Amino acid sequence: GAGVSQSPRYKVAKRGQDVALRCDPISGHVSLFWYQQALGQGPEFLTYFQNEAQLDKSGLPSDRFFAERPEGSVSTLKIQRTQQEDSAVYLCASSLRTSGRDEQYFGPGTRLTVT
Amino acid sequence: GENVEQHPSTLSVQEGDSAVIKCTYSDSASNYFPWYKQELGKRPQLIIDIRSNVGEKKDQRIAVTLNKTAKHFSLHITETQPEDSAVYFCAAKESGGYQKVTFGTGTKLQVIP
Repeated sequence: GAGVSQSPRYKVAKRGQDVALRCDPISGHVSLFWYQQALGQGPEFLTYFQNEAQLDKSGLPSDRFFAERPEGSVSTLKIQRTQQEDSAVYLCASSLRTSGRDEQYFGPGTRLTVT
Repeated sequence: GENVEQHPSTLSVQEGDSAVIKCTYSDSASNYFPWYKQELGKRPQLIIDIRSNVGEKKDQRIAVTLNKTAKHFSLHITETQPEDSAVYFCAAKESGGYQKVTFGTGTKLQVIP
């Protein structure tokens, strides 16, 4: 079946612009995660949804970052007033349930470049 | 929170040799340790995982060992092949109600034909 998809794959934004990144998880997956991956680094946790509920947003770096998953499926990560340090690959992952035994399936990521 | 350290950051081996990547974690309550392989420009993909109730797990040429007392775990790849070249990330999952996973900083493995 279809895996996790993300759009756009690449985004170039001028500093100060707002951006919206979309994640389509695997159908039926309860858990959804957003990660930020800087060049040469491992993914860093941003936020977690269980269905439509955002249970953990402790990794969001500032109040310019906002995520939602209103119907428990598609999720959007929004970054307001982008800054150069926001340049990174933003990865979305989903898993079937909430058990720690469930594999997280990653999307291809959105590479954001802020100029 | 959890802190995962990974070594080495780069590793070059001759084809056919073994490769070992080591990680340490800080939270003794962590109980799940996945390893991901990420090829250039691609998404991370799970290659093997281990839970805290076992000390070793093997899948063909890949094995992972876990020492809970010392809080470290390792990935072993035997008979390396050029297609093993990628960045490998270890990770640890904190115990709790959901699966927050903390990743290491990655090891870039190059297998020289």
